[in-house]
Amino acid sequence: AQRVTQPEKLLSVFKGAPVELKCNYSYSGSPELFWYVQYSRQRLQLLLRHISRESIKGFTADLNKGETSFHLKKPFAQEEDSAMYYCALRYSSASKIIFGSGTRLSIRP
Amino acid sequence: NAGVTQTPKFRVLKTGQSMTLLCAQDMNHEYMYWYRQDPGMGLRLIHYSVGEGTTAKGEVPDGYNVSRLKKQNFLLGLESAAPSQTSVYFCASRQGADTGELFFGEGSRLTVL
Repeated sequence: AQRVTQPEKLLSVFKGAPVELKCNYSYSGSPELFWYVQYSRQRLQLLLRHISRESIKGFTADLNKGETSFHLKKPFAQEEDSAMYYCALRYSSASKIIFGSGTRLSIRP
Repeated sequence: NAGVTQTPKFRVLKTGQSMTLLCAQDMNHEYMYWYRQDPGMGLRLIHYSVGEGTTAKGEVPDGYNVSRLKKQNFLLGLESAAPSQTSVYFCASRQGADTGELFFGEGSRLTVL
């Protein structure tokens, strides 16, 4: 069955330190992967998607089909990065979109 | 331009009561989704719709029904609420088959006593 796994419930790092939020997926077809972010008292919003291969707010993510991973990285964390991050997978003729369990990122000053 | 609007934002129900959550979008999107968010479990897909008059089951459809009579509205119904349905419910929409980005509502917090 299709699944998105985010192994870390909470990740706490110091400001200026590198950040890596892990995401693994299981899907036998051609996946489309996303990262969504939910800042405090804001709506869930798209952070980035693998097909655009862009950097948003300093974050990047590379799809590794061999390892079925789509880890989110940022070289230098900022306090405003504190939020809940969700990895998402689109499949099934582009209709279904499922999410992982989320990782709460806390940046310490 | 409101985007995706959910009503109500908060509701408390007793076990066995019924209710309907309304999701409305003004972006002319084809696809609409209902998710529930629970601590430690992330967002789980309940039902979704790929167009007016269509609905399909997601990961956790039991205990819920949905309808998409108008393109802009997607209703989520609980016929007989149970404490296990206490959750925050999110509606989302996206433009069509070629676009992956979801636009979310603010969420509806439901408590079943």
